[in-house]
Amino acid sequence: DQQVKQNSPSLSVQEGRISILNCDYTNSMFDYFLWYKKYPAEGPTFLISISSIKDKNEDGRFTVFLNKSAKHLSLHIVPSQPGDSAVYFCAASTGAGGTSYGKLTFGQGTILTVHP
Amino acid sequence: NAGVTQTPKFQVLKTGQSMTLQCAQDMNHNSMYWYRQDPGMGLRLIYYSASEGTTDKGEVPNGYNVSRLNKREFSLRLESAAPSQTSVYFCASSEDPRRWGYTFGSGTRLTVV
Repeated sequence: DQQVKQNSPSLSVQEGRISILNCDYTNSMFDYFLWYKKYPAEGPTFLISISSIKDKNEDGRFTVFLNKSAKHLSLHIVPSQPGDSAVYFCAASTGAGGTSYGKLTFGQGTILTVHP
Repeated sequence: NAGVTQTPKFQVLKTGQSMTLQCAQDMNHNSMYWYRQDPGMGLRLIYYSASEGTTDKGEVPNGYNVSRLNKREFSLRLESAAPSQTSVYFCASSEDPRRWGYTFGSGTRLTVV
């Protein structure tokens, strides 16, 4: 049972335009959400996170939106640049305490290609 | 450079062979994690260690064992490799994983034939 889903395997956008990457989740206990970027032959790198008490978080060109009622989050990249071409993973964490703290459940990933 | 170091980067095993994947971090993080990445499956948690001296199973622990040797090092062992364990393995560490995420190593690409 995939608790975090990225239903679009790939996305192609033109340089300078907006990229919107989507993620859906099913577990209502998730209360922190994160986005990672991954280049080939490298480990994922952390981009941005959002707590469930917020509906938006911005960091430069990256903005994450959270819609709790729809159990949906999205990552907006504006403007998109060719260097943004990578695989993007969303991830979620529950507020479980003790040793479960910090476990992340990842989506399948979306390949973003930004064309010059 | 500070970060998470994984060795080896590539490995080919025959079915039934054993091996240990090594991971070390120099950021003084308490928690460490092992994930595997398979096409269409995202990253799945194998084992994790919330702090030195503790380890717990993740989503897909069967066929693996781990050792948190000290605060810096967290190793993953395959006792009897199977073709289903062909994957890319990532080690990660974090101090505040929910707010600041993990720092990942560059991965080990393992093929079991």
